[in-house]
Amino acid sequence: DADVTQTPRNRITKTGKRIMLECSQTKGHDRMYWYRQDPGLGLRLIYYSFDVKDINKGEISDGYSVSRQAQAKFSLSLESAIPNQTALYFCATAGAYNEQFFGPGTRLTVL
Amino acid sequence: GENVEQHPSTLSVQEGDSAVIKCTYSDSASNYFPWYKQELGKGPQLIIDIRSNVGEKKDQRIAVTLNKTAKHFSLHITETQPEDSAVYFCAASMGAGGSYIPTFGRGTSLIVHP
Repeated sequence: DADVTQTPRNRITKTGKRIMLECSQTKGHDRMYWYRQDPGLGLRLIYYSFDVKDINKGEISDGYSVSRQAQAKFSLSLESAIPNQTALYFCATAGAYNEQFFGPGTRLTVL
Repeated sequence: GENVEQHPSTLSVQEGDSAVIKCTYSDSASNYFPWYKQELGKGPQLIIDIRSNVGEKKDQRIAVTLNKTAKHFSLHITETQPEDSAVYFCAASMGAGGSYIPTFGRGTSLIVHP
């Protein structure tokens, strides 16, 4: 089984809808991250969490919120989706040296 | 904050040739430099990393070099094969005991022609 899983893998939604992306991990890592990937822009950090009680904004947090329900679960929400949030979204955990372990990604399309 | 520049954005080689991807970073406090490979439809996967106490690390056909004085590090792939075709990302961060926030380069699309 994959160490970091994301659901859904693909999602098409409409402008203004609320949507949640979920991430689960079995690596036992405390540190979890949400990234957004756009062509030519690399991976940009949205939010990160170093433990269940710790939530921090990343580079591009506007329009997003997160919830760390347990050590193993970290969810990303778009409160009111807009077309420029169309992107690939990755959840990741971090090992002792900050090496990142990524999930398979969610492809989100906002119409 | 940290800034990581990665070049080239696209690299096209013939099978069997070598490929080199270069990254520069700005924060002299960074001490951990991983490289990730992203195949189509998948998440990035760590392929090799280097810490600031060494200048070079090798793993079969891939190697990474680090020049802390010049603040640059490079990924070298020898005897390229079609399955090496992917997007490669470099990153810089402070590892254990540091800020734990990695900064990524924008990626290099490597195409290996059979």
